[in-house]
Amino acid sequence: QVQLQESGPGLVKPSETLSLTCTVSGGSVSSDSYYWSWIRQPPGQGLEWVGYIYYSGRTNYNPSLNSRVTISVDTSKNQLFLELRSVTAADTAVYYCARVFYAAYSDAFAIWGQGTMLTVSS
Amino acid sequence: SSELTQDPAVSVALGQTVRITCQGDSLRSYYATWYQQKPGQAPVLVLYGKNNRPSGIPDRFSGSSSGDTGSLTITGAQAEDEADYYCNSRDNSGDIVVFGGGTKLTVL
Repeated sequence: QVQLQESGPGLVKPSETLSLTCTVSGGSVSSDSYYWSWIRQPPGQGLEWVGYIYYSGRTNYNPSLNSRVTISVDTSKNQLFLELRSVTAADTAVYYCARVFYAAYSDAFAIWGQGTMLTVSS
Repeated sequence: SSELTQDPAVSVALGQTVRITCQGDSLRSYYATWYQQKPGQAPVLVLYGKNNRPSGIPDRFSGSSSGDTGSLTITGAQAEDEADYYCNSRDNSGDIVVFGGGTKLTVL
């Protein structure tokens, strides 16, 4: 059974860089059957897609974050990473990683981690 | 367009049928995928593609599509179906994923 577990600092100061890790167990981040994504949810608000990475290393990001975000994987550690630079209070959110498959003209975010809360505050 | 629009809130009487909609131009090319999220929990995939349910999702959940609108229908809503429901799709470029704003379902 595939499980995802996010981890991070919990608190980051404004203008600093946020770094989050998603550890995958029970499956491989290098599988060509899936891709991997980060999604965030500000307190009391809806879901916002951050970006995704394919097994090939190809990435795509939310245009609203594009210049500040990098998603990468470490296949040797079976981990997914999110880096978000120059954070502000607006980046305060629960951050989720998810395993996604594309089928029948739809993207299915099928497996989610439990999420990690990230607060931006001085 | 890169937006998906959902009604903020919908209510249904226990045991009745409710439809939750997701509207966006990209849904003319892609199907909406649907998620259920209960307070304090991660979202759960409930429907994808034309009308596909992952293992473990009750068959009272079904999906449909017409034009620029995708729909999630719950036939015989149960108390445990009370939750926030989100749709997602690609945008028209095919490269970007978008989520709808979510619909809060109340079961009366």
